[in-house]
Amino acid sequence: AQSVAQPEDQVNVAEGNPLTVKCTYSVSGNPYLFWYVQYPNRGLQFLLKYITGDNLVKGSYGFEAEFNKSQTSFHLKKPSALVSDSALYFCAVRETNAGKSTFGDGTTLTVKP
Amino acid sequence: ETGVTQTPRHLVMGMTNKKSLKCEQHLGHNAMYWYKQSAKKPLELMFVYNFKEQTENNSVPSRFSPECPNSSHLFLHLHTLQPEDSALYLCASSHRFPGQGDFSGANVLTFGAGSRLTVL
Repeated sequence: AQSVAQPEDQVNVAEGNPLTVKCTYSVSGNPYLFWYVQYPNRGLQFLLKYITGDNLVKGSYGFEAEFNKSQTSFHLKKPSALVSDSALYFCAVRETNAGKSTFGDGTTLTVKP
Repeated sequence: ETGVTQTPRHLVMGMTNKKSLKCEQHLGHNAMYWYKQSAKKPLELMFVYNFKEQTENNSVPSRFSPECPNSSHLFLHLHTLQPEDSALYLCASSHRFPGQGDFSGANVLTFGAGSRLTVL
């Protein structure tokens, strides 16, 4: 069975500071990992994914995530946060043999000016 | 616009009404999904259609009835709903629904903006 955890319901950072949104996962095999973002009154938008290869994945809007197999983590990061990054962020995992993805509960990121 | 269009964006209905949610995608995708997003609850996968065939039904009550006439259109028919069914219903699509042994990782989902349903 696959599962994903986002341990923080809320992350607050000041504009210009680095941000991290945490995600840990559990799978029985190799994982495919995804980050999605949801702005108010919108659907989820794909940010980035890890399939294989380089552990550091770069995505849209300057976001990146690092796959850490030993810690079973896939934290989302950005070196300098913008107020416009404020949104709800979802981590998702899919085992290579599974059809569907499992989503985390989401983390609300608030970036203050 | 993401290429996945949902209508209506907002719907208010009584418990005895019958209504439908519509989803349309012009991305050439072959898999389409319905998700339910409720406040303070995880995103719930409801149904999956792959090449017009239903491949997933996650124990969804029969008052929700999906229909997929072709790979571009997906409907969710609603009847005799309960107030707890009030939620944001999200449609998504992907190139395909990965089967067992599919190592492509190509299952990136493209979501519509959602239909906000309120059941009175």
